[in-house]
Amino acid sequence: NAGVTQTPKFQVLKTGQSMTLQCAQDMNHNSMYWYRQDPGMGLRLIYYSASEGTTDKGEVPNGYNVSRLNKREFSLRLESAAPSQTSVYFCASSEALRRATLHFGNGTRLTVT
Amino acid sequence: DAKTTQPNSMESNEEEPVHLPCNHSTISGTDYIHWYRQLPSQGPEYVIHGLTSNVNNRMASLAIAEDRKSSTLILHRATLRDAAVYYCIPYTTSGTYKYIFGTGTRLKVLA
Repeated sequence: NAGVTQTPKFQVLKTGQSMTLQCAQDMNHNSMYWYRQDPGMGLRLIYYSASEGTTDKGEVPNGYNVSRLNKREFSLRLESAAPSQTSVYFCASSEALRRATLHFGNGTRLTVT
Repeated sequence: DAKTTQPNSMESNEEEPVHLPCNHSTISGTDYIHWYRQLPSQGPEYVIHGLTSNVNNRMASLAIAEDRKSSTLILHRATLRDAAVYYCIPYTTSGTYKYIFGTGTRLKVLA
């Protein structure tokens, strides 16, 4: 059972370039999330999708867009990367029930120069 | 969203119990209290959660204050592998299902 799979694992971008981070889960979960973690900091919620077809902003959505492609996949797009977006990005999923627990991927380490 | 307060860091000796506190005085009556931990260079992993009663599992115990304004994660015998950042998170269920992580407590285990 793969759980939550994120691609790529590492990426280096130049300022102004665009890219999409991919996330897929095979646990039939309804909810999916994107977090970023800056060095020495806790996780901050960028966007989340409570269920297929819906997305909502989290704490730090500026500079990002998301797509809930289907129940399995939730992608995060940076349209014009900035050095301030250098971070580790984590995708997570949950059942979206009151007792649901989060399952995380291993992260994508993004550097914007 | 409910706010949490945790110590920035704590230390423990190996094989001794560790009590990690969390203050969540603004938690609503229906929010569960979740604990996660993040080992170095990994994504966070679930540890335990509870609503009102104390909870135990193979990893840890969770003691919840009677007024629910605080809770304590208890590791009964710390090992070197328990060195991680521990996050206390009120699980918001009012209309949406989302987790907000704070900065957590960095636990250092001394051999």
